[in-house]
Amino acid sequence: DAGVTQSPTHLIKTRGQQVTLRCSPKSGHDTVSWYQQALGQGPQFIFQYYEEEERQRGNFPDRFSGHQFPNYSSELNVNALLLGDSALYLCASSLSGQARYGYTFGSGTRLTVV
Amino acid sequence: EDQVTQSPEALRLQEGESSSLNCSYTVSGLRGLFWYRQDPGKGPEFLFTLYSAGEEKEKERLKATLTKKESFLHITAPKPEDSATYLCAVEDYGGSQGNLIFGKGTKLSVKP
Repeated sequence: DAGVTQSPTHLIKTRGQQVTLRCSPKSGHDTVSWYQQALGQGPQFIFQYYEEEERQRGNFPDRFSGHQFPNYSSELNVNALLLGDSALYLCASSLSGQARYGYTFGSGTRLTVV
Repeated sequence: EDQVTQSPEALRLQEGESSSLNCSYTVSGLRGLFWYRQDPGKGPEFLFTLYSAGEEKEKERLKATLTKKESFLHITAPKPEDSATYLCAVEDYGGSQGNLIFGKGTKLSVKP
């Protein structure tokens, strides 16, 4: 049973460019959340998708946008990249209403903006 | 505003030397408190969910406890393979499920 799959694993982009990160949730899960983890920090909530809609958003600018597809997979898009966007981007999946089983995280995408 | 503070930031133990990690939290209404383990360059790995004060959960050498203001992760007779960063997170009733507020973590090193 595959867990959460994220692609690509590493990415280097230039300031001002746009990037798309992808996430396939664990089998049976219907909810996807995205987090940003800077070096030495805990993950920070970006937003969550359920039933193809953004259900909640953290304190991130509109440059961060996302999408969820009918098969529950999700994309995170970041426009006009800044040096400060360099971080590990994590995707977490869950089954709505089943928080007691925890949220399953992928291994992340390491984004470096130069 | 929801807050999670973990201490210490780093902890170095000898193999077999038991200790505890602390997680202090402030939320308007606790939906759940989560402990995760994170290895370098990897995503967090789920350990426990705690819901109410007095609750305890165990897994191998790890035991998590919860009070109204803090949680402890007790590590009994640790081994080098327990070396990792341990993250604590809370979920507030005011937010949607999956909106976790994380602390900065405690980096644990266990020397043989």
